[in-house]
Amino acid sequence: AQTVTQSQPEMSVQEAETVTLSCTYDTSESNYYLFWYKQPPSRQMILVIRQEAYKQQNATENRFSVNFQKAAKSFSLKISDSQLGDTAMYFCAFKRGSGAGSYQLTFGKGTKLSVIP
Amino acid sequence: GAVVSQHPSRVICKSGTSVKIECRSLDFQATTMFWYRQFPKQSLMLMATSNEGSKATYEQGVEKDKFLINHASLTLSTLTVTSAHPEDSSFYICSARGGPNTEAFFGQGTRLTVV
Repeated sequence: AQTVTQSQPEMSVQEAETVTLSCTYDTSESNYYLFWYKQPPSRQMILVIRQEAYKQQNATENRFSVNFQKAAKSFSLKISDSQLGDTAMYFCAFKRGSGAGSYQLTFGKGTKLSVIP
Repeated sequence: GAVVSQHPSRVICKSGTSVKIECRSLDFQATTMFWYRQFPKQSLMLMATSNEGSKATYEQGVEKDKFLINHASLTLSTLTVTSAHPEDSSFYICSARGGPNTEAFFGQGTRLTVV
């Protein structure tokens, strides 16, 4: 079974600064996907960024980027130029690439990020 | 992106009654839908996975007779909480996916309060 660990329950960052959220995972799979989801106070889950395990290049979406270290099974999220609207819970998630359970997401426990004005 | 609509967003029901939550994919065919439960300040806990036209697969510890899931069409899945009790009060979220390697889209969630 896969596990996803987010070791930082809460973090805060000053507006316009950069923050990095940590995520590690455990799997014996070679083909998988990793995700970061954002859940703002509205509680709507929003996909922030996605990484395919077979891609060595780190995914980037505007101010959001990841540091994917496959050998270390680490998948951190960097938010640059933090904005007040980034205040939310952030969940790291894992999905198998094929086979049984490949439709399902396994979530970490989340990191609550507060952006301070 | 694709839209998944979940209704109602909030519901209050009396203990012992049943409540139905709907999850609709508005602009794509959802071959698979997921139902999650989220306790305050906690992560999403997968309750069950349903494929259109077949019985849902429930996660260990989830009572299938209590949480009835129907996925009768490619755009609609329903979760019925039967004989609800206060301990069933929670935030329920649905998610839909068009295929195994397509993005999962989430509904807005339903806050259920059983009084």
